[in-house]
Amino acid sequence: KAGVTQTPRYLIKTRGQQVTLSCSPISGHRSVSWYQQTPGQGLQFLFEYFSETQRNKGNFPGRFSGRQFSNSRSEMNVSTLELGDSALYLCASSLFGTSGYEQYFGPGTRLTVT
Amino acid sequence: KNEVEQSPQNLTAQEGEFITINCSYSVGISALHWLQQHPGGGIVSLFMLSSGKKKHGRLIATINIQEKHSSLHITASHPRDSAVYICAVRPGTASKLTFGTGTRLQVTL
Repeated sequence: KAGVTQTPRYLIKTRGQQVTLSCSPISGHRSVSWYQQTPGQGLQFLFEYFSETQRNKGNFPGRFSGRQFSNSRSEMNVSTLELGDSALYLCASSLFGTSGYEQYFGPGTRLTVT
Repeated sequence: KNEVEQSPQNLTAQEGEFITINCSYSVGISALHWLQQHPGGGIVSLFMLSSGKKKHGRLIATINIQEKHSSLHITASHPRDSAVYICAVRPGTASKLTFGTGTRLQVTL
């Protein structure tokens, strides 16, 4: 079974621009969670989607948004990029969510904002 | 104070040593995960625990729900075990994970 894939793997953007990151979960998995990892804050939860519905959201500004499609693929969008948005963005999929189910992480998208 | 505390932050060991990494949390949880992150960023889920103990190869994870504490043990450590080990908890019924700051392990020959 193919693992979780994320595209693109690396991205460089300028302050003020917007960016869209994509995550394809393991086939059959219905839950996709997104995380941000920075050297200063470590790993932080962004949001979780299950069956096209956002089930939970972390403490991030409204510039961070996401969605999930009927095939469980998910995208996250960051608008009006700031330097502090430079981070590794990870997505993870699981069969039904973090409750009692293993999470499988993708390789991440490394975003650099200049 | 973070909801999830790990110790030590950094650990250097010689090949073959027995290693213990600790994780304490302050909230009620429904599950605890141990993750491994190698240089370059890829994260692998090692264990998911809600009680007791699990073993996979040279890795053993234990959890004590009453004491809000978990340990990850590596027996007969090897340089390929060098990585950052991260503890993450699922608080209550929330569908999200809260992470510790990680333990950076370096195993030398």
